[in-house]
Amino acid sequence: NAGVTQTPKFQVLKTGQSMTLQCAQDMNHEYMSWYRQDPGMGLRLIHYSVGAGITDQGEVPNGYNVSRSTTEDFPLRLLSAAPSQTSVYFCASSYTRAKSYNEQFFGPGTRLTVL
Amino acid sequence: DAKTTQPPSMDCAEGRAANLPCNHSTISGNEYVYWYRQIHSQGPQYIIHGLKNNETNEMASLIITEDRKSSTLILPHATLRDTAVYYCIVSSFTSYGKLTFGQGTILTVHP
Repeated sequence: NAGVTQTPKFQVLKTGQSMTLQCAQDMNHEYMSWYRQDPGMGLRLIHYSVGAGITDQGEVPNGYNVSRSTTEDFPLRLLSAAPSQTSVYFCASSYTRAKSYNEQFFGPGTRLTVL
Repeated sequence: DAKTTQPPSMDCAEGRAANLPCNHSTISGNEYVYWYRQIHSQGPQYIIHGLKNNETNEMASLIITEDRKSSTLILPHATLRDTAVYYCIVSSFTSYGKLTFGQGTILTVHP
């Protein structure tokens, strides 16, 4: 299994540009989520999904959209990039059965810089 | 979810046990203690979790005090590859995977 994969690994955007960060998992996990990590800080939850067609907001959802059309994929869209969105973005997934939400597998991250 | 307090940094000699403490004095009855670690620039990695009994797996042991107000993660024989930021997180199943990561403890394992 490849686990949780994220593309791209690095990205530089100009203010106002839009883009989509890709996340995919091949473990048939129902639960997927997106976090951001700013320098020297812990991770903060942006959006999460408990299954295909179901998404909800986390702690810092403003400026980001998500959708979950398949179990495998959970893309994160930046609508109009701002310098405050410069961060490292991590995608995570887990099973929901046996109350395993909190035993999450994380991807390698996407390092985003907004100029 | 209950708040956790961890020391900002700790050192350990290679081959020795690393004992990482965590205080969670406001933990409620349905909340578990989870430990993750993040090796430089990588995504966090789940280590272990527990409710009230001590737990052990291939990576570590988790000791939770009887009153559940604190816990200790034990890496029995630390290696240089265990150098990482260790996060102690308290969460219940009803939080549906919404983990709250604090600042964690930077563990440095020395040769």
